[in-house]
Amino acid sequence: ILNVEQSPQSLHVQEGDSTNFTCSFPSSNFYALHWYRWETAKSPEALFVMTLNGDEKKKGRISATLNTKEGYSYLYIKGSQPEDSATYLCARTKTGNQFYFGTGTSLTVIP
Amino acid sequence: EAGVVQSPRYKIIEKKQPVAFWCNPISGHNTLYWYLQNLGQGPELLIRYENEEAVDDSQLPKDRFSAERLKGVDSTLKIQPAELGDSAVYLCASSFKLNEQFFGPGTRLTVL
Repeated sequence: ILNVEQSPQSLHVQEGDSTNFTCSFPSSNFYALHWYRWETAKSPEALFVMTLNGDEKKKGRISATLNTKEGYSYLYIKGSQPEDSATYLCARTKTGNQFYFGTGTSLTVIP
Repeated sequence: EAGVVQSPRYKIIEKKQPVAFWCNPISGHNTLYWYLQNLGQGPELLIRYENEEAVDDSQLPKDRFSAERLKGVDSTLKIQPAELGDSAVYLCASSFKLNEQFFGPGTRLTVL
């Protein structure tokens, strides 16, 4: 089992605040790191796939970084909005089709 | 393009009853996954299909769970008999290439 850990488990932020979450994973045999956003009653949505050490990806106000040598990834949300409220999951793949998920970070953005 | 479809979205049953979930993947996606997500946990793989072949079912509790993917398209996951601990969200995902997955909305099962 490849343990992927996420922190914090949950957090509440005020609208307009910036926030970040952490995903930690075993650095050996790394293939790719995925971030998903899962809104209540909807399908998990892929945000980023990162494969290279030092990768940085950005989509609007959301960005992510990757450190494969030390085994962590950060997800940043700038200027949080209520629609950002969701559970953010990270997953590590050892090969391209075996996904190991963390427990997720539940974000609530308070208007 | 239609996404991954799952039904039912919600299911409430009494323990010891059977239950089945259905998944229709995105057209052309040869890989199909079933995941189990318990409250407060991340999704855990139950079974992965490549076309109609189950290539990874090591985490599927075969005493009560079964799955099939006829003709390499739709898939059904069955539990018989259901236990209280089976209450969870069952997610289906599909993919066409490595390093991607498209998820359905899941089926939330409650066993009373």
